[in-house]
Amino acid sequence: KAGVTQTPRYLIKTRGQQVTLSCSPISGHRSVSWYQQTPGQGLQFLFEYFSETQRNKGNFPGRFSGRQFSNSRSEMNVSTLELGDSALYLCASSLGLAGGLGEQYFGPGTRLTVT
Amino acid sequence: TQLLEQSPQFLSIQEGENLTVYCNSSSVFSSLQWYRQEPGEGPVLLVTVVTGGEVKKLKRLTFQFGDARKDSSLHITAAQPGDTGLYLCAGLQPKYGNKLVFGAGTILRVKS
Repeated sequence: KAGVTQTPRYLIKTRGQQVTLSCSPISGHRSVSWYQQTPGQGLQFLFEYFSETQRNKGNFPGRFSGRQFSNSRSEMNVSTLELGDSALYLCASSLGLAGGLGEQYFGPGTRLTVT
Repeated sequence: TQLLEQSPQFLSIQEGENLTVYCNSSSVFSSLQWYRQEPGEGPVLLVTVVTGGEVKKLKRLTFQFGDARKDSSLHITAAQPGDTGLYLCAGLQPKYGNKLVFGAGTILRVKS
């Protein structure tokens, strides 16, 4: 069974630009969660989507947004990029909501560098 | 301020040695998970513990959940170079809703 895929794997953007990252969950998984990982803050929860609805949201500014499509694929968008947005963005999928005990499967991440 | 405190932050040991990584919080977890992450990859779930006092074993790895469900430990026996990676604990705490909260991680390097 194919794992979680994320595209692109690497991205370099300039301050002020916007970026869209994509995540394809494992077939049959309906929940997709997004995380930001940085050396200073570690892994921080951004948001979770289940059946095309945002079910949970972390403490990030409104510049960070996401959506989920009917095929469970998800995208996250960051507008007006700041240097501090440079991070590894991880997507994780699970059968049910991540708040349950179901196992989350992480993708390899998208490494975003903002210059 | 990290909601989940992991210690130590870094650990460099020789092959064959034993080690323990700790994960602590002042709040109660409804469940706690341990992940291992290698460079260029996403975290991989190792174990989920739910019951206070629970002990789970995965080959040379032993996971323990504190009786009060506020702390957990990961013990590795006879570490191998293949154990090298970033170990993360993550917990679900009722006061923070259904959001998985991660610790800062422990970077483990096992030298041969």
